[in-house]
Amino acid sequence: DAGVIQSPRHEVTEMGQEVTLRCKPISGHNSLFWYRQTMMRGLELLIYFNNNVPIDDSGMPEDRFSAKMPNASFSTLKIQPSEPRDSAVYFCASSLNSGGVGEQFFGPGTRLTVL
Amino acid sequence: GEDVEQSLFLSVREGDSSVINCTYTDSSSTYLYWYKQEPGAGLQLLTYIFSNMDMKQDQRLTVLLNKKDKHLSLRIADTQTGDSAIYFCAESRDDKIIFGKGTRLHILP
Repeated sequence: DAGVIQSPRHEVTEMGQEVTLRCKPISGHNSLFWYRQTMMRGLELLIYFNNNVPIDDSGMPEDRFSAKMPNASFSTLKIQPSEPRDSAVYFCASSLNSGGVGEQFFGPGTRLTVL
Repeated sequence: GEDVEQSLFLSVREGDSSVINCTYTDSSSTYLYWYKQEPGAGLQLLTYIFSNMDMKQDQRLTVLLNKKDKHLSLRIADTQTGDSAIYFCAESRDDKIIFGKGTRLHILP
């Protein structure tokens, strides 16, 4: 398996533009997580899905952020409009939620820079 | 509080042991984890311990769990340059994992 796939790996955009980050979880995993990592705040959970359904979006910073999971193999995180303070590394992770260890497998991340 | 707490930095000489400490919050957490993040990469599970265990050893890694004090530690024996990374302590909570801010391990020659 290729692991969790994220695209793009790097994104540079200007303030006010729309940004869409993409994630393909590991096949067969039924939970998907979006995180944001910055030096100041560390790793923050933004939102997670179980079986394509959003379960907890309390970490989403504000209405400018939205996430979707239209099917088991694809999720997007959208920022509209983007602001410089959104600059961070965004990680997608997936896991098999079956009552076991619950290991999360992380993608390589998308480094977002908003100018 | 609700945070998993760990120190932000640790410097260790090559060949010495590294000990990274963490305090967690939820006494009902089933699993406690240590994740490793190398530069430019995502987090990767390094080891975990079930909450009814006190210790787990895996080659150079030793995890100690003190449930009474909600204290978790990771010891890396014979620290090598390849161990340079950020180490995240984490606890299971419902169907989420709550991560600390990470400890950046720096290896001195």
